[in-house]
Amino acid sequence: GENVEQHPSTLSVQEGDSAVIKCTYSDSASNYFPWYKQELGKRPQLIIDIRSNVGEKKDQRIAVTLNKTAKHFSLHITETQPEDSAVYFCAASRENTNAGKSTFGDGTTLTVKP
Amino acid sequence: GAVVSQHPSRVICKSGTSVKIECRSLDFQATTMFWYRQFPKKSLMLMATSNEGSKATYEQGVEKDKFLINHASLTLSTLTVTSAHPEDSSFYICSARTQTGELFFGEGSRLTVL
Repeated sequence: GENVEQHPSTLSVQEGDSAVIKCTYSDSASNYFPWYKQELGKRPQLIIDIRSNVGEKKDQRIAVTLNKTAKHFSLHITETQPEDSAVYFCAASRENTNAGKSTFGDGTTLTVKP
Repeated sequence: GAVVSQHPSRVICKSGTSVKIECRSLDFQATTMFWYRQFPKKSLMLMATSNEGSKATYEQGVEKDKFLINHASLTLSTLTVTSAHPEDSSFYICSARTQTGELFFGEGSRLTVL
């Protein structure tokens, strides 16, 4: 099955700096890669996703890049703000097969210091 | 985004009793829903895939007789923790996939078994 590794497990940055979180996956058939943000005690929320036919996607201060050959994808947050502090999870799945079951990374706890 | 509602958000029960948790997709139909367990500061551990109108698919190591899943309609899946014990205390989260492949999560249910 799929195996997703996420690094780093914790990340602390100064407000205004950039943050980068990286994930690798093992199943070359995976084609959908979402990122979720989970604040303490709350549900994970989809913040951005990318499909395997695209190399990069951007939404305001958030961007995701995908390298299919190397089987890794990254989340980039620019101009970080204290409200970006949360746990971020990456995931990988095969859309349209296996009910689209997602495999999650172990999460990265991001702390943005004011 | 789509809305998934999970109820109850918190439940406390005595050891040996059963607890039912509901997961509803409020504004879309979901043929597939997923149930996870999340330990403190840990990732989402997939327990089972809930398929509308058919039996759930359980992950390795998850007891199907312990965690009963029913997906009787396109908008409702239920998880029943049977004969709950203190070690079943955890944060349980459901998710549902939209037709375009995005995954949306319920608010989560914190179960405490005394």
